[in-house]
Amino acid sequence: EVQLVETGGGLIQPGGSLRLSCAVSGFTVNSNYMSWVRQAPGRGLEWVSVIYSGGSTYYADSVKGRFSISRDNSKNTVDLQMNSLRAEDTAMYYCARLNCYPGSCQGGWFDPWGQGTLVTVSS
Amino acid sequence: IQLTQSPSSLSPSVGDRVTITCRASQGISSFLAWYQQKPGKAPKLLIYAASTLQSGVPSRFRGSGSGTDFTLTISSLQPEDVATYYCQQLNSYPITFGQGTRLEIK
Repeated sequence: EVQLVETGGGLIQPGGSLRLSCAVSGFTVNSNYMSWVRQAPGRGLEWVSVIYSGGSTYYADSVKGRFSISRDNSKNTVDLQMNSLRAEDTAMYYCARLNCYPGSCQGGWFDPWGQGTLVTVSS
Repeated sequence: IQLTQSPSSLSPSVGDRVTITCRASQGISSFLAWYQQKPGKAPKLLIYAASTLQSGVPSRFRGSGSGTDFTLTISSLQPEDVATYYCQQLNSYPITFGQGTRLEIK
């Protein structure tokens, strides 16, 4: 069964750091494109970051230089290291697989999704 | 690339035909997906490549369009379709979503 389970969320003070993890079962993370998408309370969806099967990474401008995506092939997990956190980073963070066509992610779509982990940045 | 959905909300009746529009700020070919998100739940993929129905999604959902104008149509609204619907593009980075359309039952 394909399943994604996010952990690591919680309450953190502005300027602090947090590491989220996404445990994947049913497929291997190193053969797929894995992404993080967040949703602030009462707001819409915002893409955060993606890591390609080849290791390339991309980030939204809002988190570039502060967040870092990585994967652990031995544990079959995808992590999001979040530094210099701000109040505006408060959101539910979802892990999702980005489905791409052979040779290109142009036209890619997210499926499946995890249930999310809540990050609250507040003093 | 900005995606603008309309309307922002609507309240049709059970059995009604529902149409949600997503307009891209520049041409994105058919590189568009649609998601359904119910309260307190993760988004669920409905349609990708503008018109391809994801496996297991009821056939009353249909996607169409290309270039800059796209449509999600629910042919006969059911009570379980109450949710917020989002479009998403990956013609180019950054990946972007529409602001969402909230669908309630009258």
